[in-house]
Amino acid sequence: AQSVTQPDIHITVSEGASLELRCNYSYGATPYLFWYVQSPGQGLQLLLKYFSGDTLVQGIKGFEAEFKRSQSSFNLRKPSVHWSDAAEYFCAVGNNDMRFGAGTRLTVKP
Amino acid sequence: DSGVTQTPKHLITATGQRVTLRCSPRSGDLSVYWYQQSLDQGLQFLIQYYNGEERAKGNILERFSAQQFPDLHSELNLSSLELGDSALYFCASSVLGSSYEQYFGPGTRLTVT
Repeated sequence: AQSVTQPDIHITVSEGASLELRCNYSYGATPYLFWYVQSPGQGLQLLLKYFSGDTLVQGIKGFEAEFKRSQSSFNLRKPSVHWSDAAEYFCAVGNNDMRFGAGTRLTVKP
Repeated sequence: DSGVTQTPKHLITATGQRVTLRCSPRSGDLSVYWYQQSLDQGLQFLIQYYNGEERAKGNILERFSAQQFPDLHSELNLSSLELGDSALYFCASSVLGSSYEQYFGPGTRLTVT
């Protein structure tokens, strides 16, 4: 069965510091992988996606993610975090019945 | 703004009641997905419709049902409501039958008292 694990429930980083949010998945075939961001009281916004091809994918707002099949991981990165990046981040895997991780809450310190 | 609209924004009702949540997908999208987000269960996929037909089913309770109409809008019906049904209900849409890029609406916050 497909599943997604986000090991970090809450991460705090200083503004300007780099960020890496972890995501591990379990899926029977080549997965479709996604990262979404949710600001308080808002819906989810798609940051980036991986279907096939280049394992390093670029998304919106300066985010990127790298697919590593050998590690079953799809970690999200940003070189320099801005205060407006504070939000909840969800990794998701799947096709029709998409599975979401539990989310990682990002706090940005001034 | 994703282009997906959901009504109402907030809904407060009593246990045992029935409610209907409505979703209009982005223009051109044929698939509609429903999700429930709660503190204890996280974000859970409920059901997907593609061009009027049920395509995939997740953790949807028997008390819940959904449909997609010819104009592609969708409704999620929740009946015999319990306190535990209090949650944010999201609708998402995508062009194709497979999820690819799903665009989420702002959600309906349901409170059952």
